[in-house]
Amino acid sequence: GAGVSQSPRYKVAKRGQDVALRCDPISGHVSLFWYQQALGQGPEFLTYFQNEAQLDKSGLPSDRFFAERPEGSVSTLKIQRTQQEDSAVYLCASSLGGADGYTFGSGTRLTVV
Amino acid sequence: AQTVTQSQPEMSVQEAETVTLSCTYDTSESDYYLFWYKQPPSRQMILVIRQEAYKQQNATENRFSVNFQKAAKSFSLKISDSQLGDAAMYFCAYWDTDKLIFGTGTRLQVFP
Repeated sequence: GAGVSQSPRYKVAKRGQDVALRCDPISGHVSLFWYQQALGQGPEFLTYFQNEAQLDKSGLPSDRFFAERPEGSVSTLKIQRTQQEDSAVYLCASSLGGADGYTFGSGTRLTVV
Repeated sequence: AQTVTQSQPEMSVQEAETVTLSCTYDTSESDYYLFWYKQPPSRQMILVIRQEAYKQQNATENRFSVNFQKAAKSFSLKISDSQLGDAAMYFCAYWDTDKLIFGTGTRLQVFP
């Protein structure tokens, strides 16, 4: 596609629910990144894929967070047993490799109530 | 670890005037990339300008330019002839191997 597409745009979850956030990168982009942006803060790195391989997951805050990209294209970020502190905007970005052509999606705003 | 600091939570400017947003960073690397991103209410991070550390010349993109001071680890953004559409959050970022490290942002207001 022309840009990075994320869905849903908004998600409200009750505490303890599981959620799945989707990212559809630009066609041909081998690298895919997830960031978490808390209110009033800059985005913080969560994880990075090169094709289907998850090369860096150092930013995932707990074992409740899990990301996958099974066919090297669409990626899903899953959060299990959501907690209030998980409320944030989750941004996805893709690139040709490294910082080349780095493009962000519009994010998913997750609110845990 | 690399860090990025934006010390101005909010700035304001009148339309057609010039404004400068500050950014400092900390790194032990000699070659790296720096970025300024704009984030309007739509939430999408839009690349404003990019600077490669090995290049002495300051990057320029139309009304946007940077003042890159490598020794001082300073990377400020100058917006000339400000327009109402420039109002947004602005984030400075450092490229670290496989991720961007962002500052906390500066909210820019533009008054007519």
